[in-house]
Amino acid sequence: SQQGEEDPQALSIQEGENATMNCSYKTSINNLQWYRQNSGRGLVHLILIRSNEREKHSGRLRVTLDTSKKSSSLLITASRAADTASYFCATDGNTGGFKTIFGAGTRLFVKA
Amino acid sequence: EPEVTQTPSHQVTQMGQEVILRCVPISNHLYFYWYRQILGQKVEFLVSFYNNEISEKSEIFDDQFSVERPDGSNFTLKIRSTKLEDSAMYFCASGISGYEQYFGPGTRLTVT
Repeated sequence: SQQGEEDPQALSIQEGENATMNCSYKTSINNLQWYRQNSGRGLVHLILIRSNEREKHSGRLRVTLDTSKKSSSLLITASRAADTASYFCATDGNTGGFKTIFGAGTRLFVKA
Repeated sequence: EPEVTQTPSHQVTQMGQEVILRCVPISNHLYFYWYRQILGQKVEFLVSFYNNEISEKSEIFDDQFSVERPDGSNFTLKIRSTKLEDSAMYFCASGISGYEQYFGPGTRLTVT
């Protein structure tokens, strides 16, 4: 079954540093999304990148997509303590329905 | 800013009992979803709902589960006979398209 898998599982950095998280998936997709989850709370949509796009920016976020390698990366520049959260990639099922498959997530800890 | 709401925030029930989790999606959204997240694990897709019918469902969404949009504003998830392993956070989400989704804060279900 299709699945997004993020690495690293956990990442600890200093405030001001950049954080890079990677995601790999197994089957073809129409789009890939990144979400953030603060501990025990709901998910917040960060960015969507379509299969025909290679890079997308939103504020301090930069997402890349390489469909030939079935991988994506999320870069957070100039990280802040408030960026501390879990980050998930999510892919659509490309099945004609509306099914979103989440990866296991990367836990990011930004030290002040 | 409009948001998805869920009630109750925490539900405790005994094994074998029926529970109904309630969600109020954002009013102009057309696509509705339920997910669950067992503590410490990833978010798992349960079901998507569009045009008053199930669009897609996962293997988890067996005969014990059902969804309903009874009055054009609420979106409910019913678990007929709860099991211990149904204990999890249940998230509702809605979207105006089949892609970007807005998540509610979740209902924590504890089955004893």
